[in-house]
Amino acid sequence: AQSVAQPEDQVNVAEGNPLTVKCTYSVSGNPYLFWYVQYPNRGLQFLLKYITGDNLVKGSYGFEAEFNKSQTSFHLKKPSALVSDSALYFCAVRDTGYSTLTFGKGTMLLVSP
Amino acid sequence: GAVVSQHPSWVICKSGTSVKIECRSLDFQATTMFWYRQFPKQSLMLMATSNEGSKATYEQGVEKDKFLINHASLTLSTLTVTSAHPEDSSFYICSAPTGLGGQNEQYFGPGTRLTVT
Repeated sequence: AQSVAQPEDQVNVAEGNPLTVKCTYSVSGNPYLFWYVQYPNRGLQFLLKYITGDNLVKGSYGFEAEFNKSQTSFHLKKPSALVSDSALYFCAVRDTGYSTLTFGKGTMLLVSP
Repeated sequence: GAVVSQHPSWVICKSGTSVKIECRSLDFQATTMFWYRQFPKQSLMLMATSNEGSKATYEQGVEKDKFLINHASLTLSTLTVTSAHPEDSSFYICSAPTGLGGQNEQYFGPGTRLTVT
């Protein structure tokens, strides 16, 4: 079985400050990990993914995520938040051998001016 | 990047009628597409996997006779909500992977807001 946990319903950060959105996962094999962002009444946009290789993955809009196998985490980070980053962020995992993605419940990021 | 479109973007229908939602991959072929349902401020719930040329695979608890899926071509999948009821009101999102293999990301349509009155 595969599962994802996003422990925070909401993250608040001031513009210009660094942000972190947390994600932990559980798989029986090796994980493929993804981050997506959703703006109101829109579909999801792909941000970045970890498949193999370097633990630090860089993605769209200045976001990056660090894969930590020992902590089974894949936290999303950005050095300097923008108000326009305010959106709903989803972490997702696919175990090797699985065909479908499992999404976390989502974390609302609010960046204040 | 790959583009997935959905039509309509929103629809209001009366209880008891049927509604068809289209999902198209615009610049790539997709042998598989996924249909999700999302309630307000909640995560995406996978409803079914649409397979080109064969029957869809439904997740546990999803009524296949109520949510009819047809994957008629490599670029089009449709979801028909039959005999819709107010509890079917939701945001429906489709997605398609950019290739075979679990390492490929999925590209999502913009979603369809269904309201059943």
